[in-house]
Amino acid sequence: QQKVQQSPESLSVPEGGMASLNCTSSDRNFQYFWWYRQHSGEGPKALMSIFSDGDKKEGRFTAHLNKASLHVSLHIRDSQPSDSALYFCAASEPDNYAQGLTFGLGTRVSVFP
Amino acid sequence: GPKVLQIPSHQIIDMGQMVTLNCDPVSNHLYFYWYKQILGQQMEFLVNFYNGKVMEKSKLFKDQFSVERPDGSYFTLKIQPTALEDSAVYFCASTPGLGGYEQYFGPGTRLTVL
Repeated sequence: QQKVQQSPESLSVPEGGMASLNCTSSDRNFQYFWWYRQHSGEGPKALMSIFSDGDKKEGRFTAHLNKASLHVSLHIRDSQPSDSALYFCAASEPDNYAQGLTFGLGTRVSVFP
Repeated sequence: GPKVLQIPSHQIIDMGQMVTLNCDPVSNHLYFYWYKQILGQQMEFLVNFYNGKVMEKSKLFKDQFSVERPDGSYFTLKIQPTALEDSAVYFCASTPGLGGYEQYFGPGTRLTVL
């Protein structure tokens, strides 16, 4: 079983709309979460990290973490065509960053005009 | 922003041959990673390298794999000999420190072993 699971697999959003992505970890050691975005032909690029319970907002992006349920979400407000990409949730253990990040399979977001 | 470069972008080799994947990390970064992504599967951590040594490696980092960064040049992943199951996209990443630092990823090298 994958330790980081994402849903949905794909998502179509109208331009200007809201996209909501979900991620759940099955490993209680994972307490730190990242959202990465990957455009075609490029490597993943970090959007934001979230380490504490609650919301974290950066521009049009808001992440929410519930440590009790190990659930993290990403909401993209006012979606733009440039937001069309593959979005990864990644997790790590707070005291063992050297072990690298554990990634989910990703959610493919398509923003249509 | 800071960029990680990977050379080559594609590599096709015959099973049993040696291959070296090259990564040019962000200039002031100290920690370097390799990840492996098989088509349709999630990206998986292979190895973390710091100060000339492997810090951590996963079970995917087989004995046929080795990493080095001689004299601050490319950070390399060498596979010798290659196997069919090594076909994947390999991503290099770097970060200035451990902890809550962002990992910067390269665009990946697609390795096809025939």
